[in-house]
Amino acid sequence: GAGVSQSPSNKVTEKGKDVELRCDPISGHTALYWYRQSLGQGLEFLIYFQGNSAPDKSGLPSDRFSAERTGGSVSTLTIQRTQQEDSAVYLCASSPPRGSGANVLTFGAGSRLTVL
Amino acid sequence: AQSVTQLGSHVSVSEGALVLLRCNYSSSVPPYLFWYVQYPNQGLQLLLKYTSAATLVKGINGFEAEFKKSETSFHLTKPSAHMSDAAEYFCAVSDGNNRLAFGKGNQVVVIP
Repeated sequence: GAGVSQSPSNKVTEKGKDVELRCDPISGHTALYWYRQSLGQGLEFLIYFQGNSAPDKSGLPSDRFSAERTGGSVSTLTIQRTQQEDSAVYLCASSPPRGSGANVLTFGAGSRLTVL
Repeated sequence: AQSVTQLGSHVSVSEGALVLLRCNYSSSVPPYLFWYVQYPNQGLQLLLKYTSAATLVKGINGFEAEFKKSETSFHLTKPSAHMSDAAEYFCAVSDGNNRLAFGKGNQVVVIP
């Protein structure tokens, strides 16, 4: 597609439920990132995928958070047993292969998660 | 690890006045530096980037930023604010490994 697509745009869930957030990156972009944006906290890095390399999971806040990227394209961020502090906007971004505009991230519009 | 400091979460500026958003970075290697803008209910959009070429970088919408190594700064400016500049602005730094560290952002309010 022309841009990074995220779904759902809004998700309201009850505490303790699992949620899945989807990201479809720009075609040809080898790198994919997940960030979390909380009010007044800026953007918090969660996880980074680059091609077939092992993902950088160092930003995941707890073992309730996981992400996968199938076929080097679409990614799913899963939050298990959601807590109220998980409420935030989850942003996905992708970037081209190194040496061709690498380091410039293109962001999706985000998935706003509200945990009641 | 690299990091960015943006002071003043909310910045008010009169229409037609200078916009100045400050960004100071910390990086153990020559950095890549970025400014992104976020309009309500939208994702982040790249305003401009510094990648070790010219120290004065011009971006979209009349914005520019100057890289000053001695001050570890990358402040964003626009000579004359427009109502459409009301948005949140984020400074970010990368060490070249494609992982960006963002500042907490500046919410810009333009006063008519």
